[in-house]
Amino acid sequence: SHELTQPLSVSVSPGQTARITCFGDVMPKQYAHWYRQKPGQAPVVLIYKNSERPSGIPERFSGSSSGTTVTLTISGVQAEDEADYYCQSSDSSGTSVIFGGGTHLTVL
Amino acid sequence: QLQLQESGPGLVKPSETLSLTCTVSGDPISSSDYYWGWIRQPPGKGLEWIGSISYSWSTYYNPSLKSRVTISVDTLKNQFSLNLKSVTAADTAVYYCARQMVWPRPRLLYWFDPWGQGTLVTVSS
Repeated sequence: SHELTQPLSVSVSPGQTARITCFGDVMPKQYAHWYRQKPGQAPVVLIYKNSERPSGIPERFSGSSSGTTVTLTISGVQAEDEADYYCQSSDSSGTSVIFGGGTHLTVL
Repeated sequence: QLQLQESGPGLVKPSETLSLTCTVSGDPISSSDYYWGWIRQPPGKGLEWIGSISYSWSTYYNPSLKSRVTISVDTLKNQFSLNLKSVTAADTAVYYCARQMVWPRPRLLYWFDPWGQGTLVTVSS
């Protein structure tokens, strides 16, 4: 079965750039999407189709893809960005959804 | 503005069936542009996709749960529902419903947006 692998945690200081990676062998074939989840809240989509940003999401959130790895980049990290981040894609058929294990971003 | 709200029992006994309903407001569920999905999150753990359904009852399920899951839709009530049978403590989780973007042909399941607020279901005797 396909898996998506994320680092358990990433730490950055305010104002710096955070990069959260998501590795999976399906990445060259399927799009990836990114969510932010704050404690006690439902996930919110930040990036869809590797690099598209929904309306209302600040420009400091961006996504990129290279081979089997997709990356969520948060520029000018703020204290409010401390949260869990999940990548999501699908299997090679495109009809079975998979989530990465999640990455906790700590703002030092 | 589209909103989704989960409802159902917060406590289910082991071996019984977990049943939840998601009520959609702000847009008809009978749009061919979307699927409607269920996702769960055990306490302190990550997200797990359960399954998705279209208004025309086309369904896709997580292979690891497929034998226990049924998702249905009621376009008249603008609702879709989840049944998970033979539950154990491992099924204790916050259950979310969400709208899912799709590519029609070939069918590709994309991202979820928006999500309901989630409802905690505990499996315990």
